[in-house]
Amino acid sequence: AQSVTQLGSHVSVSEGALVLLRCNYSSSVPPYLFWYVQYPNQGLQLLLKYTTGATLVKGINGFEAEFKKSETSFHLTKPSAHMSDAAEYFCAVKGDYGQNFVFGPGTRLSVLP
Amino acid sequence: KAGVTQTPRYLIKTRGQQVTLSCSPISGHRSVSWYQQTPGQGLQFLFEYFSETQRNKGNFPGRFSGRQFSNSRSEMNVSTLELGDSALYLCASSFPGDTGELFFGEGSRLTVL
Repeated sequence: AQSVTQLGSHVSVSEGALVLLRCNYSSSVPPYLFWYVQYPNQGLQLLLKYTTGATLVKGINGFEAEFKKSETSFHLTKPSAHMSDAAEYFCAVKGDYGQNFVFGPGTRLSVLP
Repeated sequence: KAGVTQTPRYLIKTRGQQVTLSCSPISGHRSVSWYQQTPGQGLQFLFEYFSETQRNKGNFPGRFSGRQFSNSRSEMNVSTLELGDSALYLCASSFPGDTGELFFGEGSRLTVL
């Protein structure tokens, strides 16, 4: 069965600092990997996804993630945090066609002035 | 293109009542998934419908049910409400395919008193 772990339920960074949110997964090959963001009282919005090809994936709002098969990781990074990045972030994995998504427990990101 | 629309956005019910939530997917999307989100359990998969057929089902009691209509709109129903059913219910639609990324609505927040 597929599963996703996210290290740290809450991460705080200072404005302008590096953002690093960790995601590890267990899945059959090939996995499709996603990062979603959720702002208060809203649904989830896709940040980026890895399907095939280049392992470094760029998304919206300056975020990027790198798929490392040997480490079964898909960590999300952003070089410089902005106050508007404060939200909850979910990593998700999906197997082959017809399989449903499995979401991680989420990491709440706080950005301090 | 209009996004995923969920109604109602907020509702309050009492124990023992039933509730029906509605979801209109993005035009052209034929797959609709439902998730329950609570602070303690995170995002939990309820079920997925594709072309009016339930394709996947999560581990929820039979009080939770759903259906999909020929226009891809979906409804979910919860009967005999319990306090623990208080949650944000999220609907997501996707275009069938291997990656099938999910597009989420803003959710229906259910409070059971």
